[in-house]
Amino acid sequence: DAGVIQSPRHEVTEMGQEVTLRCKPISGHNSLFWYRQTMMRGLELLIYFNNNVPIDDSGMPEDRFSAKMPNASFSTLKIQPSEPRDSAVYFCASSLDRAISTNEAFFGQGTRLTVV
Amino acid sequence: EDQVTQSPEALRLQEGESSSLNCSYTVSGLRGLFWYRQDPGKGPEFLFTLYSAGEEKEKERLKATLTKKESFLHITAPKPEDSATYLCAVQASGSWGKLQFGAGTQVVVTP
Repeated sequence: DAGVIQSPRHEVTEMGQEVTLRCKPISGHNSLFWYRQTMMRGLELLIYFNNNVPIDDSGMPEDRFSAKMPNASFSTLKIQPSEPRDSAVYFCASSLDRAISTNEAFFGQGTRLTVV
Repeated sequence: EDQVTQSPEALRLQEGESSSLNCSYTVSGLRGLFWYRQDPGKGPEFLFTLYSAGEEKEKERLKATLTKKESFLHITAPKPEDSATYLCAVQASGSWGKLQFGAGTQVVVTP
């Protein structure tokens, strides 16, 4: 398996524009996570899905952020409108989560977003 | 609220100089404690999972241990390629796989 695949790797956009980040999880994994990493706040969990259903979106900073997982092999994180303070590296991760045990999460390479 | 605190923030070691990183945590029922390594410009890479106090795991020059309140990552005779940021994360019971990360320890190993 190629691992978790994110696109694009880098995105530079102007303030006010819509930004869509994409993620393909590892085949067979049933949990998907979106994280944001900044120097100031470290790795923050934004939202996670289990079996394509959003479980906890309490980390989503504002209504400008939205995430979808239409099927087991694809997820998007959208920011509309984008602001300079959204500049960060956004990571997608996936894992196989079972009720009686837990498996490690595998991370993608991240999308570095710069909003100017 | 679950909390993870890592220390020190940064560590500079000479090649071969062993040391330990600390991860203190508070969680409402620990399901698992995870150690990750992150290289610049890359996503975190999984190293270990520890489930219960007293458990230990090893991988090459790294050894992770767990107590009821903290975990240690011991680096024995480090090499320059061990330079990275090491992240600790906890998963609480009933959290559906959600990880709470610490801020990380940046390790630099010089030849």
